[in-house]
Amino acid sequence: GAGVSQSPSNKVTEKGKDVELRCDPISGHTALYWYRQSLGQGLEFLIYFQGNSAPDKSGLPSDRFSAERTGGSVSTLTIQRTQQEDSAVYLCASSLNSFYGYTFGSGTRLTVV
Amino acid sequence: AQSVAQPEDQVNVAEGNPLTVKCTYSVSGNPYLFWYVQYPNRGLQFLLKYITGDNLVKGSYGFEAEFNKSQTSFHLKKPSALVSDSALYFCAALTGGGNKLTFGTGTQLKVEL
Repeated sequence: GAGVSQSPSNKVTEKGKDVELRCDPISGHTALYWYRQSLGQGLEFLIYFQGNSAPDKSGLPSDRFSAERTGGSVSTLTIQRTQQEDSAVYLCASSLNSFYGYTFGSGTRLTVV
Repeated sequence: AQSVAQPEDQVNVAEGNPLTVKCTYSVSGNPYLFWYVQYPNRGLQFLLKYITGDNLVKGSYGFEAEFNKSQTSFHLKKPSALVSDSALYFCAALTGGGNKLTFGTGTQLKVEL
């Protein structure tokens, strides 16, 4: 597609439920990134996929968070047993080469009540 | 640890006046630096980057940034601010072996009439 697409744009869930966030990157972009944006805390790196290499999961905050990327394209970020502190905007980005910068999606605003 | 700092949470400037949004970095090796802008309920948009070469980098919407190696700074500037420039600005540096962007906490720019 023309840009990075994320769905849903907004998600309200009850504490303890699982959620899945989807990211559809720009076609041909081999790298895909997930970041979390919390109020007043900037962007926090979560996970990075590059081609068929093992993902860099070093930013995942707990084992409740996981992500996969199928066929080198679409990615899903899953949060199990959501907590209120998981409330944030989750941003996905893709790139052909990190030196060119990233293209970001519009994000998914997750609210855990 | 590699990091990016934006010392000002908010910058206020009158329309028509010059603006500066500050950024300092701490990275190993050659720094690769970026500025992004985020409008409300939108993802981040690329403004400009410094990879190598001229210390003054020109980008989108009339913005420019000056790379200063001795001061480890990469301040964003614009000669004449517009109300439409009001947004959240993020400075970022490539880290993790050049694989991922580390972001500052962001600076809210408010341009008033």
